[in-house]
Amino acid sequence: EVQLLESGGGLVQPGESLRLSCTGSGLTLRSYDMNWVRQAPGKGLEWVASFSGSGDGGHYADSVKGRFTISRDNAKNTVFLQMNSLRVEDTAVYFCAKPKYCGSDGCSGGLDRWGQGTLVTVSP
Amino acid sequence: QSVLTQPPSVSGAPGQRVTISCTGSSSNIGAGFDVHWYQHLPGTAPKLIIFANTYRPSGVPDRFSGSKSGTSASLAITGLQADDEADYYCQSYDSSLSGSVFGGGTKLTVL
Repeated sequence: EVQLLESGGGLVQPGESLRLSCTGSGLTLRSYDMNWVRQAPGKGLEWVASFSGSGDGGHYADSVKGRFTISRDNAKNTVFLQMNSLRVEDTAVYFCAKPKYCGSDGCSGGLDRWGQGTLVTVSP
Repeated sequence: QSVLTQPPSVSGAPGQRVTISCTGSSSNIGAGFDVHWYQHLPGTAPKLIIFANTYRPSGVPDRFSGSKSGTSASLAITGLQADDEADYYCQSYDSSLSGSVFGGGTKLTVL
């Protein structure tokens, strides 16, 4: 069974850092451009970042650009989200998700597998 | 303010049909990028219910359908059931932002 499991969330103060992990089972994460999506309390879904396995590296929402870095460890079958200079407005449940299809032309078909999410709380 | 605009809420009685709109612009839906739809219940992982504008993943009932025209897309749900009550989100890609974008979400209430 395909599963994604996030970890690493917690309570931090503004300006601090946190690293989230997303580990896959039943699938090889290097075959997909993995995504991070978040949902702040009472708000909707917000795309945060994606990691292109084709060599383009990370792509980021403007709200996190320059502060967050997405990376991947193929040996651990894990994708990371390094979050620096955290702000109160970064408080959210963070989900990792995989595209339905990925090939030589890129990924398509939406995000068909999601983890259960990990809660990040940034508070003074 | 989301790049993709959805109505905050829709409602319908059991058995009825409802539609949820998703309005974008020339840099996302209007540029030809696919629209995907998700069903989300609080405390759970979002579920892909429509991909590439009109396709249903395996296991999603045919009561759910999607369409796209110009700079907009729509999700239709027929034969409303109590367990359809959830938040629904559209998603596409935006070339100006060079990234994915979600609609603000629509809360469906089954009366």
